[in-house]
Amino acid sequence: DAGVTQSPTHLIKTRGQQVTLRCSPKSGHDTVSWYQQALGQGPQFIFQYYEEEERQRGNFPDRFSGHQFPNYSSELNVNALLLGDSALYLCASSSLAGTSYEQYFGPGTRLTVT
Amino acid sequence: GESVGLHLPTLSVQEGDNSIINCAYSNSASDYFIWYKQESGKGPQFIIDIRSNMDKRQGQRVTVLLNKTVKHLSLQIAATQPGDSAVYFCAENQEAGGFKTIFGAGTRLFVKA
Repeated sequence: DAGVTQSPTHLIKTRGQQVTLRCSPKSGHDTVSWYQQALGQGPQFIFQYYEEEERQRGNFPDRFSGHQFPNYSSELNVNALLLGDSALYLCASSSLAGTSYEQYFGPGTRLTVT
Repeated sequence: GESVGLHLPTLSVQEGDNSIINCAYSNSASDYFIWYKQESGKGPQFIIDIRSNMDKRQGQRVTVLLNKTVKHLSLQIAATQPGDSAVYFCAENQEAGGFKTIFGAGTRLFVKA
């Protein structure tokens, strides 16, 4: 049973470019959340997807958008990249049908903006 | 804004000793608190959780204590091992709308052999 997978592992982009990150949730999970983790800091909640809709959003600009597909996988898109967008982007999956708030995290995608 | 924070950024303990990692939170309406462990190059890993209607919960070598009066959370690790070396995050969940999780800044635990 595969856990949460993310691709790519590493990515280097230039300011102003656009990037798409991908996430496949753990088998049986229907909810995907995205987090941004700057070096030396805790993860910051970006948004959460359930039933292909954005249910919750953190304090991130509209440059950050996402999508969830019918198979529950998800994409995170960031437009007009800034140097400050350099971070580890984490995807976490969970199941709203369950009684636990437990989230399973993927290994992350390391984005570097130059 | 509301946040979850940690008292100490780093903690160094001798192998075999007990470790205590502390955390303060500000949102008294939070439903659920979680401790995560993050090793280098990996995503956070769930350790233990506690609901807001409890004050203590025990797992394997770990105990979480919740003091709602002073909005304080702690993680106790018994007989700390080298494999426990990592960054530990406390986090809180706000159920409304879908379990949004707020993380603190983290405490780095060093275990000396």
